Amino acid sequence: NAGVMQNPRHLVRRRGQEARLRCSPMKGHSHVYWYRQLPEEGLKFMVYLQKENIIDESGMPKERFSAEFPKEGPSILRIQQVVRGDSAAYFCASSRGDGADTQYFGPGTRLTVL
Amino acid sequence: GEDVEQSLFLSVREGDSSVINCTYTDSSSTYLYWYKQEPGAGLQLLTYIFSNMDMKQDQRLTVLLNKKDKHLSLRIADTQTGDSAIYFCAAAYSGGGADGLTFGKGTHLIIQP
Repeated sequence: NAGVMQNPRHLVRRRGQEARLRCSPMKGHSHVYWYRQLPEEGLKFMVYLQKENIIDESGMPKERFSAEFPKEGPSILRIQQVVRGDSAAYFCASSRGDGADTQYFGPGTRLTVL
Repeated sequence: GEDVEQSLFLSVREGDSSVINCTYTDSSSTYLYWYKQEPGAGLQLLTYIFSNMDMKQDQRLTVLLNKKDKHLSLRIADTQTGDSAIYFCAAAYSGGGADGLTFGKGTHLIIQP
């Protein structure tokens, strides 16, 4: 049973470009979460999605950031017009959405903005 | 909102026990988690404890929860070099997945030979 998959693992963008980060949840999981980790910091919650629905985006910056989890395909975190401050590791987690509902994390995408 | 605090570094000798501590502020936290992160890697779930439990043991790992003091600890028995990593404490409000987790900044566990 494959774990949470994220790609790319490393992404380099110049200021002003767009970054697209992909996350495929574990098999049988219908809930996806995105977190951002700045250097020497813990993870900060950004957004929580179920298929075709954003449940909680309270941690997401209001501008330039968007997330989706379509009926088919991976969840996408999109950052438009990236700035140097967007450089971070972005982690995706998934859960079944029931009971103890533990979140399992992917390996992360490390975004570097030049 | 919820705040989770951890000390930044812990240094122990190989073979000794490591105890990593965590405090949280929201008494309605229902699940508390410990994750391990090795350099350049994602987070690996180590264990979790539900708020109605005081203790949970899993092989070399023992989790203790003091709800009154909002204090959580992770004890690693017989610490090995492979245990060297950053350990994150995280709290959830309900069901573990209904909300995003709130993480501490992580404790760097350093193993001395």
